Order: sequence, then C-alpha cells, then structure tokens
Amino acid sequence: SYVLTQPPSVSVSPGQTARITCSGDALPKQYAYWYQQKPGQAPVVLIYKDSERPSGIPERFSGSSSGTTVTLTISGVQAEDEADYYCQSADMSGTYIWVFGGGTKLTVL
Amino acid sequence: EVQLVQSGAEVKKPGESLKISCKGSGYTFTSNWIGWVRQMPGKGLEWMGIIFPGDSDTRYSPSFQGQVTISADKSISTAFLQWSSLKASDTAMYYCARNVYGDYYFDYWGQGTLVTVSS
Repeated sequence: SYVLTQPPSVSVSPGQTARITCSGDALPKQYAYWYQQKPGQAPVVLIYKDSERPSGIPERFSGSSSGTTVTLTISGVQAEDEADYYCQSADMSGTYIWVFGGGTKLTVL
Repeated sequence: EVQLVQSGAEVKKPGESLKISCKGSGYTFTSNWIGWVRQMPGKGLEWMGIIFPGDSDTRYSPSFQGQVTISADKSISTAFLQWSSLKASDTAMYYCARNVYGDYYFDYWGQGTLVTVSS
C-alpha cells in the first residue's frame, strides 16, 4: 500500500523557518500536495505539484522535492500558521488511490 | 463561485443506515471527481474514495472498500456517502472535496458533516 510519512509535530518560534517533511516511496514518480487545517475548519490547499502555490496563498509557503521526500517550508512563521499540515499524493499506477500523510502539528512557540 | 455544501450533522445508533450528501454549485458538476475524506476525532485525514459524476466511475480506498458506498446524482449535482450498518467507530467528520481537473488534489472542500454513532 502507498504510505506517506510525516513527523507528528514541529515547533518553531515566530519569525523562524519551519520545515515539514513527507516521505514516500512513490514520491519520485508522483506529485505531492500540501494542505493546512486549522481547528474546526476544512483543509485548504497550500501547495500543488510539489512546489506550485495557488493564488491567494502567501509567499512564505513553499514546497520542494528531493527523491522520496517532499518538504513544506514556511518562512517567517507567524502565530496564525499554527495548524495541522498534511501532505497528499496519488497512485495512478493501478487503481486510482489518493493518500494523505498522517499530519504534522505545527506549534508556534 | 465554486461551493460544496454538505448535509447536516447526524446522530445515529449502531446498526442504523445513513446517507449524507454533498451538493456542488458554481461549476460543471460532471467534469470533476468528488472525493470523500474521513477525519476521526483528534485524528488525521483519511481518503475514503472518489467518484466521477459524469459516468459514476468510483474508486475506493482498500480500507473503506465494502464499508461504505459512494454515489452521485448528476441531475441534482450531488454526491453521496452511505452506510448500511453504522458502527460506533464510524463516528467522525466527513468531508467531500472537489478534485482538480487533470490533477490529483482537492481544491474546494465542503464544510464537513459530523456523524455521531452512539447507543
């Protein structure tokens, strides 16, 4: 089965840079996507196709890919960035399967 | 404006059946896959399955195959998620979400439907 692995938590002080990783064997062949979810809200897409940012998403959010790991980078973290972050990918090699990582709780200290 | 509006919260007993809905508007409903995502209390997002309303092609996560049924009625631009016999472990928030045409991620999400199963 297709598994994406994220660290459960990341902590950072305001103004610093947060990096959240997501690992999966199929990531060299499939794009990754990132979502932010705040308490009581539906997820919002932050990054698509590894590193593209939808309109309206602040430039401090960026994505990168290297081998089996993709990384969401939040530069100049703000208090409002405290949230859960999920990576997501898809396996189109057989039956269509979408998959989410387990999620990372970002704490702004 | 693209919107996905889900049906309201449900409280059910174990063994009961349930069908929740997700109505799309502001776009051509038959052109985009609609996915369903479960979020159990305090837990992460889990992809359950997805349907293409244009022809009702449906794919399920192996974890949910046989446990739920996903359907759509394109005449009313609505997707459905249903259970024939609920369990307490089905207690969760359920989101529908629109998959981007030509890609494999969700750009618009419903507000979520909270399902509580308790005796």
